[in-house]
Amino acid sequence: GQNIDQPTEMTATEGAIVQINCTYQTSGFNGLFWYQQHAGEAPTFLSYNVLDGLEEKGRFSSFLSRSKGYSYLLLKELQMKDSASYLCAVRDRENYGQNFVFGPGTRLSVLP
Amino acid sequence: DAGITQSPRYKITETGRQVTLMCHQTWSHSYMFWYRQDLGHGLRLIYYSAAADITDKGEVPDGYVVSRSKTENFPLTLESATRSQTSVYFCASSPGGAGYGYTFGSGTRLTVV
Repeated sequence: GQNIDQPTEMTATEGAIVQINCTYQTSGFNGLFWYQQHAGEAPTFLSYNVLDGLEEKGRFSSFLSRSKGYSYLLLKELQMKDSASYLCAVRDRENYGQNFVFGPGTRLSVLP
Repeated sequence: DAGITQSPRYKITETGRQVTLMCHQTWSHSYMFWYRQDLGHGLRLIYYSAAADITDKGEVPDGYVVSRSKTENFPLTLESATRSQTSVYFCASSPGGAGYGYTFGSGTRLTVV
């Protein structure tokens, strides 16, 4: 089985940096994804990690440590539009290796 | 239009009625998925499909039925709706392979009264 933990809520100030952590337990790790979901909308893809290290994509970066079962999403130069939920999702090798298990999501509020 | 579309966007139905949620994708993605999203539970997998005529249960399949006679369509049917099935339902597709995530449809907000 799988277990994924994220903080429920976080608050940060416009222009600041925020780090959203995700810890997971899985029997057959096959990649970790981060999604952004604005209220009332569908999740959209942000980043993908399968090897240890940092992946940078503009203002967003994602880090993975497979040995620690740990990932974080780093958001720089926060903007008001970054207020959303951020979902950590782990892909497992079972069942065609395509299924994701999603964490509960972290709701980020960016304040002026 | 290319993409993944769900219909209807909103649906209110009565307890005990059968209701079908539609999902259509134009990319010929092999994999399709149905999730439900509820406060306190996040996204939970109901059913998934690896190809036409291949479907399998996810975490919460009870009360739901799926079919996939064509690659592009993956309807989800609630055979006899219950109030506990009030939720937001998301369909997603993926071409498969490492590095490919899901692309989600816009969701269907279902209320069972």
